[in-house]
Amino acid sequence: EVQLVQSGAEVKKPGESLKISCKGSGYSFTSYWIGWVRQMPGKGLEWMGIIYPGDSDTRYSPSFQGQVTISADKSISTAYLQWSSLKASDTAMYYCARLRYSYGMGSYDAFDIWGQGTMVTVSS
Amino acid sequence: EIVMTQSPATLSVSPGERATLSCRASQSVSSNLAWYQQKPGQAPRLLIYGASTRATGIPARFSGSGSGTEFTLTISSLQSEDFAVYYCQQYNNWYTFGQGTKLEIK
Repeated sequence: EVQLVQSGAEVKKPGESLKISCKGSGYSFTSYWIGWVRQMPGKGLEWMGIIYPGDSDTRYSPSFQGQVTISADKSISTAYLQWSSLKASDTAMYYCARLRYSYGMGSYDAFDIWGQGTMVTVSS
Repeated sequence: EIVMTQSPATLSVSPGERATLSCRASQSVSSNLAWYQQKPGQAPRLLIYGASTRATGIPARFSGSGSGTEFTLTISSLQSEDFAVYYCQQYNNWYTFGQGTKLEIK
């Protein structure tokens, strides 16, 4: 079964650092882009960035550039999202998701496999 | 940045009836448009990609249409499990989601 399994919920204080994870299984982890998506409480979905685990090529949404770091360790099929100094406004559910590869188009398109989400709560 | 606008924000429909959800892009995204369904407490699920192609395992009552800047998701005969929030997303120029349409029981 193709799946992405994310790390558990986190409760942190402002200014603390955090790294959450997303482990892929059931497919070639190095051959598909993995994206991160934020969902603030009661709000919609926001794309944060993507990484290609095969070579760690990373692209960020302008809204999140410099605010977070996306990385991957292909040896353990895991992608990461990290913060160096959390703010209360980082409180949200964070999803990882795999980009679907279109063999017909020879390109990646929609997010077809999603992790279960990691809830991050930042509060003093 | 391409802005995706969904309408209406909330749609009330009775089970068995048809639901039509709209999504508009601020500039052309060709057919690079996906639809997702999200139920409370769950991750989003891909329904449609390429504006009109159903993802694996998605029932035939879900259909997508449109190209350029105007798109529609139609659910032909609503089942109880279809009441959820639906998001459109463009992937023509990076990725942008609409704000969502909540489909509720009338």
